[in-house]
Amino acid sequence: QQQVRQSPQSLTVWEGETAILNCSYENSAFDYFPWYQQFPGEGPALLISILSVSDKKEDGRFTIFFNKREKKLSLHIADSQPGDSATYFCAASAGGSNAKLTFGKGTKLSVKS
Amino acid sequence: DPKIIQKPKYLVAVTGSEKILICEQYLGHNAMYWYRQSAKKPLEFMFSYSYQKLMDNQTASSRFQPQSSKKNHLDLQITALKPDDSATYFCASSAGGNQDTQYFGPGTRLLVL
Repeated sequence: QQQVRQSPQSLTVWEGETAILNCSYENSAFDYFPWYQQFPGEGPALLISILSVSDKKEDGRFTIFFNKREKKLSLHIADSQPGDSATYFCAASAGGSNAKLTFGKGTKLSVKS
Repeated sequence: DPKIIQKPKYLVAVTGSEKILICEQYLGHNAMYWYRQSAKKPLEFMFSYSYQKLMDNQTASSRFQPQSSKKNHLDLQITALKPDDSATYFCASSAGGNQDTQYFGPGTRLLVL
């Protein structure tokens, strides 16, 4: 059973548009949700994260919207750039030290210029 | 300079053989992890260590054995290799507190023939 689900599997937007990547989860104990960005041949790198006590987190062009009641969150990438073309992973953990991350299958974003 | 070093970058092995994947981190972190990424499955947590002690093991098979000779080292020994073990193995580390960012290495890509 996939505990963290992402949609769409792939997404293409034009340069300057806002890309919206969706994520949902099953486990009510999850309280920390990092988003990772991965380029081909590299390891995932933390992009932005949110705790379940918040409903929004912004960092430059990147914003997470979080709905605890519906167990859904989304990553909005404003003013998308070709350099944003990568795979984005939603992850979740259930608190505590050294807690394991449970990842979704990822959304592959392509930004066309 | 890379802060998390994984060696080798690529590894080809024959079925039934044994390999060791090397991971060293120079972030001063107390916790280290192994994750696996394959074409069939999303990033999967395997192990977590804190201060060189095993904290969590989500790997069903005993063929996978982490080894921590130093605080900043966490190697992964894989015995009796199978084609299904083909994947990219990522080492990660974190400071070790609650909801700390996990930083990923560049990965070792393993192909078992």
